[in-house]
Amino acid sequence: DAMVIQNPRYQVTQFGKPVTLSCSQTLNHNVMYWYQQKSSQAPKLLFHYYDKDFNNEADTPDNFQSRRPNTSFCFLDIRSPGLGDAAMYLCATSRSNGWLETQYFGPGTRLLVL
Amino acid sequence: GESVGLHLPTLSVQEGDNSIINCAYSNSASDYFIWYKQESGKGPQFIIDIRSNMDKRQGQRVTVLLNKTVKHLSLQIAATQPGDSAVYFCAESGGTSYGKLTFGQGTILTVHP
Repeated sequence: DAMVIQNPRYQVTQFGKPVTLSCSQTLNHNVMYWYQQKSSQAPKLLFHYYDKDFNNEADTPDNFQSRRPNTSFCFLDIRSPGLGDAAMYLCATSRSNGWLETQYFGPGTRLLVL
Repeated sequence: GESVGLHLPTLSVQEGDNSIINCAYSNSASDYFIWYKQESGKGPQFIIDIRSNMDKRQGQRVTVLLNKTVKHLSLQIAATQPGDSAVYFCAESGGTSYGKLTFGQGTILTVHP
């Protein structure tokens, strides 16, 4: 089945130690998104790629970076995780970024910072 | 600023009852709305969507109603089952934010057997 896959499902890192979360998709969608979701809150968009074009949200900290080496894969890099970065990180995809485009989410990676 | 919000943060129902989850939005340019279901420890799952040129759309056991006059959206779940227990988010896009979803705060639905 076509889907959005995130690995690992759980990630533990140390304060200040760089960590990378990965997302892959078999939907062949042009757009890939990264969201941060803290407990009991709605997902918050960090950035997205339309094809190779990177679009950062204005309030996304510089500590968060992303890479998209090809259509199928997208990575979230947290350069120096702080305790406040502990959250669920969700990857989503959509066919395009136009009107009426539904976003499909992966299962998420829960990040714990010690 | 633009926002999408929910009236009720929690909703408890008995199995077999109908559930109604509400959502208010403030961006009058919003023209596409989606309801997501998020179970504990999982990503949001698409349930149903509606375009602004419609006021009602039905799926399997779910109905979404859109009232553009008062900028209100609702999700009705018929014959609610324990497996429906989850957090439900409404999300909207439109205006200057095509392709970007703005999420509401979420409603926790608990279904008691």
